[in-house]
Amino acid sequence: DAGVTQSPTHLIKTRGQQVTLRCSPKSGHDTVSWYQQALGQGPQFIFQYYEEEERQRGNFPDRFSGHQFPNYSSELNVNALLLGDSALYLCASSFGQGHYGYTFGSGTRLTVV
Amino acid sequence: AQSVSQHNHHVILSEAASLELGCNYSYGGTVNLFWYVQYPGQHLQLLLKYFSGDPLVKGIKGFEAEFIKSKFSFNLRKPSVQWSDTAEYFCAVNAGQAGTALIFGKGTTLSVSS
Repeated sequence: DAGVTQSPTHLIKTRGQQVTLRCSPKSGHDTVSWYQQALGQGPQFIFQYYEEEERQRGNFPDRFSGHQFPNYSSELNVNALLLGDSALYLCASSFGQGHYGYTFGSGTRLTVV
Repeated sequence: AQSVSQHNHHVILSEAASLELGCNYSYGGTVNLFWYVQYPGQHLQLLLKYFSGDPLVKGIKGFEAEFIKSKFSFNLRKPSVQWSDTAEYFCAVNAGQAGTALIFGKGTTLSVSS
């Protein structure tokens, strides 16, 4: 059990569509980070949410947006899907600044056709 | 911006062989360093982490890593690997004070034959 819950586990979408991925953090964690992991690559940082606000953002276009709810859960939204958005999307939760490590979920496998 | 380089893309070893995976980072300030492992079909799991103090860090499953500040390195080692160590290994870093994003290297695939 990873402690971090992501849904759905798999998803197939068509180019141009929009998708929403969900994440529930580990109990006691208040910060959620999202990553994109392409096949054979390391996870790429998308953004991080803390206190319902985007605290830091990686090099991803505005098509990628997110939200954090008062219960610390989070959503990742991707608009106008491209074939290149096909990847494993990972959610990681942490407490505060994350200096004590991050707990990762099992991910959502998104396939864009 | 921070970056992480993992020099070995794919390492193949026999059981009982010693392992060393290289990791270098680029960031001039205080950093926190991590090694994560991803077994086939499983989520990323923390192997070990370094924040401060003794530069030799011991983690789970017999792994250890040494932080060498002068070389900006945080290499992972294990004296004797097992078949069950077959997995993807990721080095990651985040700025200790200024930022919180965890930046990953591209990973090293370790294949251990029995």
